[in-house]
Formats: sequence, C-alpha cells, structure tokens
Amino acid sequence: EPEVTQTPSHQVTQMGQEVILRCVPISNHLYFYWYRQILGQKVEFLVSFYNNEISEKSEIFDDQFSVERPDGSNFTLKIRSTKLEDSAMYFCASSEEGMNTEAFFGQGTRLTVV
Amino acid sequence: GENVEQHPSTLSVQEGDSAVIKCTYSDSASNYFPWYKQELGKGPQLIIDIRSNVGEKKDQRIAVTLNKTAKHFSLHITETQPEDSAVYFCAANLGSTLTFGKGTMLLVSP
Repeated sequence: EPEVTQTPSHQVTQMGQEVILRCVPISNHLYFYWYRQILGQKVEFLVSFYNNEISEKSEIFDDQFSVERPDGSNFTLKIRSTKLEDSAMYFCASSEEGMNTEAFFGQGTRLTVV
Repeated sequence: GENVEQHPSTLSVQEGDSAVIKCTYSDSASNYFPWYKQELGKGPQLIIDIRSNVGEKKDQRIAVTLNKTAKHFSLHITETQPEDSAVYFCAANLGSTLTFGKGTMLLVSP
C-alpha cells in the first residue's frame, strides 16, 4: 500500500539552528501538507501546497518557516532559526484531490530543540 | 475559521462493549469529516470518513454518523478489542485545511 514517508524520524537541534524536514508524498497525489503536534496536544495545520505554491497557511507558519518541492518526489519543510517552542512532531500529509478527499499522513519527524 | 470540539477526552470500555466519540464543528461550509486513529509514536491513520451528502457510513465494526443541521458527527466502534486502544481524532475540512479535535484516548480493557 502506498504511504507517505518522512525523514528523519527524530531530529535534535540547537536553538537558532536551521532544520529541514523531508517528506516523500504518495506518488500520484497533488496536494501536500505539513501539520505539527506538540506533545499531548491536537494536530495543528501549518501549510498546504499545490501546483508548486502555497495554497493556505496558518498563523503558526510565520517567516521562519518555508516549504519547497525541490524535485518530483520530495516535499520539504524548513525552519530557519529554531526556537524551543518549535519542539513537536511534524507530520507530512498528501491527498489526491484536495482536502475533501482522503489525506494520508506520514509517521512524523520528532523535532527536539535544545 | 473552523472550530472542532471533541468529547470525551478519555474513554475506558471493556472488551466487547461499544464506544462512541462525538464531535461538533462550527463552519457550515465544511463538507468532509474524517476520523483518524493515532497509536503511540505513529502518525494519524485514516479509519473512516464521511461527506456532507451522506448521513451515515459503516465499515465493519466502525460507523460514522453526521447531522449537518446540528453540526454534529460521531464515531461508533462496536465489539471493541484491545487493539482498538489508541487516540482518536475527528476532523473537519475548510478550504484546503483540516481542523482536528483535541482527541479521545480510548482504552479497551480485556
């Protein structure tokens, strides 16, 4: 069964450093998303991406965040200058026809900022 | 924006009992309502979904109901098994986003 894959599974970084979280969405999907989940809390929307541009972004997705689809398979989330409060699980998701169809989530990257 | 409320936050049942989790949403423009199961250390896994043109959908032991007028939707799990133990999230779409509820921790005791 096709799945969304994310790397790394766990990333530890020092405050102020840049991190790049990587995702390979399901191959025939056209819509890509990043969500995050702070420990013990609900899953929160960060950004949606379609046709090589951002469709929507939340208040969380400020100037320190950026997304990119550098090639035909990868979808990345960059956090430019990490803060302690960026520590969370980051989930990538993809869907075939937008957010009124099934969205499949990856296993997540646990980001720990120290 | 959309606001999704989910309850209960925790639910303990005996194996074989039924479990019901309820959600409400605020924006009548939402038309897609998925349910996700999240096991410890894993990503959310889609288990069932319903669209606003349908009132009920069933898949084996899992069913979801939707009341558009009241903006309520519910997950029903029958004949619960220990492997059903997990956190369950409801969600509602708005535009290209999903808004999640806060989750229900379901514990099924043998």
